[in-house]
Amino acid sequence: KQEVTQIPAALSVPEGENLVLNCSFTDSAIYNLQWFRQDPGKGLTSLLLIQSSQREQTSGRLNASLDKSSGRSTLYIAASQPGDSATYLCAVNRYYGQNFVFGPGTRLSVLP
Amino acid sequence: GAGVSQSPSNKVTEKGKDVELRCDPISGHTALYWYRQRLGQGLEFLIYFQGNSAPDKSGLPSDRFSAERTGESVSTLTIQRTQQEDSAVYLCASSLALTGSEAFFGQGTRLTVV
Repeated sequence: KQEVTQIPAALSVPEGENLVLNCSFTDSAIYNLQWFRQDPGKGLTSLLLIQSSQREQTSGRLNASLDKSSGRSTLYIAASQPGDSATYLCAVNRYYGQNFVFGPGTRLSVLP
Repeated sequence: GAGVSQSPSNKVTEKGKDVELRCDPISGHTALYWYRQRLGQGLEFLIYFQGNSAPDKSGLPSDRFSAERTGESVSTLTIQRTQQEDSAVYLCASSLALTGSEAFFGQGTRLTVV
């Protein structure tokens, strides 16, 4: 059974800091891993998609890496801003069952 | 359409009534997913469709829940005889294909059973 965990559960940083969010998964049989953000009371917004054959993806101030063999992904946010405050979720698209399995999320607060 | 659309955005219903939640995926997306998110909780997988077929319904919480998809487009999630424990945000997502494709979510339907 695929299990996804995220560390830390919550994080509070001052504006301008660089930060790293961690995602771990137990079964490396995945097609891809996707990072999302969720604002309170809203749906999920896709941030980055990393295919299983890729090592990293970048979009603006965001960089996500994937080490499939060790079951880990990190999301790096550079020069954080108050607008980055949200819950960040990672999800793996697994071979078996063919659905996305989500982690519990990291709640990020960036203080002005 | 430009994105995944869900309706209604909010639904308040009395315990015991039936409700229908609708999802319009992005045009051309063959895969469609339903998730449930209770207050303060993570996402709970319910069901996925490949085209109009749902190969695995084991994620549905009980036999009061059913889902269908027609024309490889619109999907409806139906909850019969609603219970207070069904109160949650129901999220729909679609992707171009079942494997390897980016998933896009709608804004969800907030269901409150009173």
